[in-house]
Amino acid sequence: ELKVEQNPLFLSMQEGKNYTIYCNYSTTSDRLYWYRQDPGKSLESLFVLLSNGAVKQEGRLMASLDTKARLSTLHITAAVHDLSATYFCAVDPSNRDDKIIFGKGTRLHILP
Amino acid sequence: DSGVTQTPKHLITATGQRVTLRCSPRSGDLSVYWYQQSLDQGLQFLIQYYNGEERAKGNILERFSAQQFPDLHSELNLSSLELGDSALYFCASAYDGITYEQYFGPGTRLTVT
Repeated sequence: ELKVEQNPLFLSMQEGKNYTIYCNYSTTSDRLYWYRQDPGKSLESLFVLLSNGAVKQEGRLMASLDTKARLSTLHITAAVHDLSATYFCAVDPSNRDDKIIFGKGTRLHILP
Repeated sequence: DSGVTQTPKHLITATGQRVTLRCSPRSGDLSVYWYQQSLDQGLQFLIQYYNGEERAKGNILERFSAQQFPDLHSELNLSSLELGDSALYFCASAYDGITYEQYFGPGTRLTVT
């Protein structure tokens, strides 16, 4: 059964610093998603990673995928307060007997 | 605005009752996904429909059912409701096969009393 582990679960950081959120998963995957959720709001799609070595960047956020290590990272560069939110990874497994599984989310608090 | 609409926004009902949540996908999107978000269970994938047919099933209880209609809107039916069914229910749509990016609706907050 697919397991997804996201860490850290909570991150408080200063503006201007860099940090990385990790998403480990336990089985082969077709797709890996990163989402952002603001308090009381819906989910916003950030990235969809489809293949080994995929790297996508949008503004201060960059996501990468290593399917051999079963690891995806979401890197935040020079954080700004507006990036405060909860970030989720979700894994869509290759095995059709498994199902999409979300990480528990990383609550990111960026201090001005 | 993602282009995905969900109704109602809020729903309060009693245990044992049945409710229907509705989702209209973005124009052109063939896939609809349903998710549940609760404090206890986190985010869980319930079910996916693609062009009217069930494509993938997640943690959907037997008391729950869904369908996608010819106009591609989808409904999630929840019956014999229990207190533990209180949650946010999101639907998302995607044009699978190209980017697989999912666009989420605003959600329906269900409270079972």
